[in-house]
Amino acid sequence: DADVTQTPRNRITKTGKRIMLECSQTKGHDRMYWYRQDPGLGLRLIYYSFDVKDINKGEISDGYSVSRQAQAKFSLSLESAIPNQTALYFCATSDAGGRPGHNEKLFFGSGTQLSVL
Amino acid sequence: AQSVTQLGSHVSVSEGALVLLRCNYSSSVPPYLFWYVQYPNQGLQLLLKYTSAATLVKGINGFEAEFKKSETSFHLTKPSAHMSDAAEYFCAVENRDDKIIFGKGTRLHILP
Repeated sequence: DADVTQTPRNRITKTGKRIMLECSQTKGHDRMYWYRQDPGLGLRLIYYSFDVKDINKGEISDGYSVSRQAQAKFSLSLESAIPNQTALYFCATSDAGGRPGHNEKLFFGSGTQLSVL
Repeated sequence: AQSVTQLGSHVSVSEGALVLLRCNYSSSVPPYLFWYVQYPNQGLQLLLKYTSAATLVKGINGFEAEFKKSETSFHLTKPSAHMSDAAEYFCAVENRDDKIIFGKGTRLHILP
C-alpha cells in the first residue's frame, strides 16, 4: 500500500462546483503539503501544515482552502472551481527529523488530475 | 525569498553520454538544496539533497550534484545516460520558513 494516498486519481468537474481532494498518509509525519503542477511552471505550493493545529498559505492559496482533520489527513478544497484550476495536484509529507528548520525529504502521493470545464 | 532557476525546459542527450542539468539558486544564507525526479504518471521522488555536509553530493541511480557557492549553482550530472533516465527533473530549495520551493523543471530526453 502507498504511504501517501490521494483520492480521487482523476476528476472532471464544472465551473462553480465545490470539490474536495483528499490526502492520507501512513508515514506518521507531522508535515503535510499541497502542490499543484502545471506544464512549464513546475510545482507551486498551495498550503502546508506542520501539525494538526497549524495551517499556512503557500505561494498560490487564493481560491483554495484546506483542512487538517488529523495527523494523517489533509484535504484541499476548491470552493468554486474555475478552469484555470485545471492542473495535477500533489500531496506530500515530510518529517523534520526533530531538527527545527531542516526538512527531511518530501514523500509524494501519485497525484490527482483535476479538470475544470 | 529563496528560489531556484533551472536552465532549459528540455534537454536531450544520447544514450551513454554525459547528463548535465543546470540549477542556480538565490539565497542570502547557505541553502538546503534538493533534486527530485518525476517519472511518467508518478509523483516526485528524491534523488539527492545538499545540507552543507559536503559540496559533492551523491544520489540514487548514479546521479550526483556539486554545490558551488561562488557560482550559486547546484547542477545535476550523470556520467552515462540510460534510457530509464528519461523523466522530468526538479531542483528545489528549502527556505527559511521550512517551505520547499521548486524550479520549473527540466524534461530529460534520451536518444537511442
